[in-house]
Amino acid sequence: GEDVEQSLFLSVREGDSSVINCTYTDSSSTYLYWYKQEPGAGLQLLTYIFSNMDMKQDQRLTVLLNKKDKHLSLRIADTQTGDSAIYFCAEINQAGTALIFGKGTTLSVSS
Amino acid sequence: DAGVIQSPRHEVTEMGQEVTLRCKPISGHDYLFWYRQTMMRGLELLIYFNNNVPIDDSGMPEDRFSAKMPNASFSTLKIQPSEPRDSAVYFCASSLFLGGGNGGELFFGEGSRLTVL
Repeated sequence: GEDVEQSLFLSVREGDSSVINCTYTDSSSTYLYWYKQEPGAGLQLLTYIFSNMDMKQDQRLTVLLNKKDKHLSLRIADTQTGDSAIYFCAEINQAGTALIFGKGTTLSVSS
Repeated sequence: DAGVIQSPRHEVTEMGQEVTLRCKPISGHDYLFWYRQTMMRGLELLIYFNNNVPIDDSGMPEDRFSAKMPNASFSTLKIQPSEPRDSAVYFCASSLFLGGGNGGELFFGEGSRLTVL
C-alpha cells in the first residue's frame, strides 16, 4: 500500500533555512501536499505541487519534487519562531480517494 | 463559514464506556473524513464519506468503531466499548472534491482529544 516517510524532528535557529524531507511510494500521485499543524489545532494546507512540476515557490516556501527518487522536500527560508509546528507530507492514494499522510516532522525553532 | 466543527474538544472516559464524537463539515463539501492521530502511528485515515455515503471504512480498527453521516451537515464516530488504546486525537476533515489544488484540499477541524482510562 501507499506509504509516506518523514524524519520526525528538526531543530533550527531563527533566521536559518529549514529543509523537511519526505519520501512517498505511489509514483502515480498527481498532487503532493504539505500540511502544517500548530499546537492544539487541526492541520492546515501549507502548499501543494502538481506532479509534472519540479519546483514550486511561494514566498518563503520552496517545494522540490524528485519524481525519480519519489522525494519531496519543503524549504522554509528565514525560519521564524512562529514556524514551529508539525509539518506533514501527504500523497493521494492509488484509488484517488483519500490523502495518506506521513507521521509528521516536528520543527523546533530557537531564537 | 465557521470551518469544520468538532465536539467535544476533550473527552475523558473510563474503559468500557461508549464514546461519541461529532463533526459538522463545511457547508457544500461533498467529502468527509475521519482521521486518528497518535504519536506512534501518526495520522491514520479511519473512514470517509462521499455525499453522506460511506465509501471506504478499511481503516476502522475494529468492530467497536462505527461512523455515520445521517445528513450532509453532521457525522458521528462512535466507539463502543472504549479501551485505553483508543486514546488519541480524532480529526474530522471535509473537502469540496478530492485531490487537486484549488478546492481539493482537506479542511480539518480542531480535533477531539480522547483519553480512555
